[in-house]
Amino acid sequence: SQKIEQNSEALNIQEGKTATLTCNYTNYSPAYLQWYRQDPGRGPVFLLLIRENEKEKRKERLKVTFDTTLKQSLFHITASQPADSATYLCALVSGGGADGLTFGKGTHLIIQP
Amino acid sequence: DTAVSQTPKYLVTQMGNDKSIKCEQNLGHDTMYWYKQDSKKFLKIMFSYNNKELIINETVPNRFSPKSPDKAHLNLHINSLELGDSAVYFCASSQDRGGMGTGELFFGEGSRLTVL
Repeated sequence: SQKIEQNSEALNIQEGKTATLTCNYTNYSPAYLQWYRQDPGRGPVFLLLIRENEKEKRKERLKVTFDTTLKQSLFHITASQPADSATYLCALVSGGGADGLTFGKGTHLIIQP
Repeated sequence: DTAVSQTPKYLVTQMGNDKSIKCEQNLGHDTMYWYKQDSKKFLKIMFSYNNKELIINETVPNRFSPKSPDKAHLNLHINSLELGDSAVYFCASSQDRGGMGTGELFFGEGSRLTVL
């Protein structure tokens, strides 16, 4: 069966360090992968999309990598700040295009001052 | 202006009742979705509508029915509510279907349903 796995335990990072979150998937051949941020009591907010033919994508302090051989995406936040504390979700869509987005359970990131 | 808005934000009701959650998007998107987020924070797709046509219908009970009066609205009707229906329901929209285009989703703020 298809699975998207994220470390659902809280990840504690000291302010200023780089936070790295992992998204692994099985039995997917995704055309692209997306990352979202969700704050308590709010809806998820889109951050980045990376396509299957891209190795890396950057946006300000955010960087996403996509390794289709390892079936893994890494999400990096450099120079982390307490305001970066949130739950981060990865999401996949299959190439067929009819299944919408399937989300991982998310990783709760805590940036400690 | 709120891009995707859903009402009500909170809904407390008794088992067996029928309730609706409304959703509107002002982004001009072609596809709208309903997601359910349970107590373990797992976000799971329920339905999607593209140009008023249902294109996904996951294995949800038929007590749940999406209704789309026009491209900008996708309402969720729930009949005979059960305790297990308690969750946060999110409406979302995207410009393109599933794997076409960017597929980036814009979410509403969620509607927390509590069934007593």
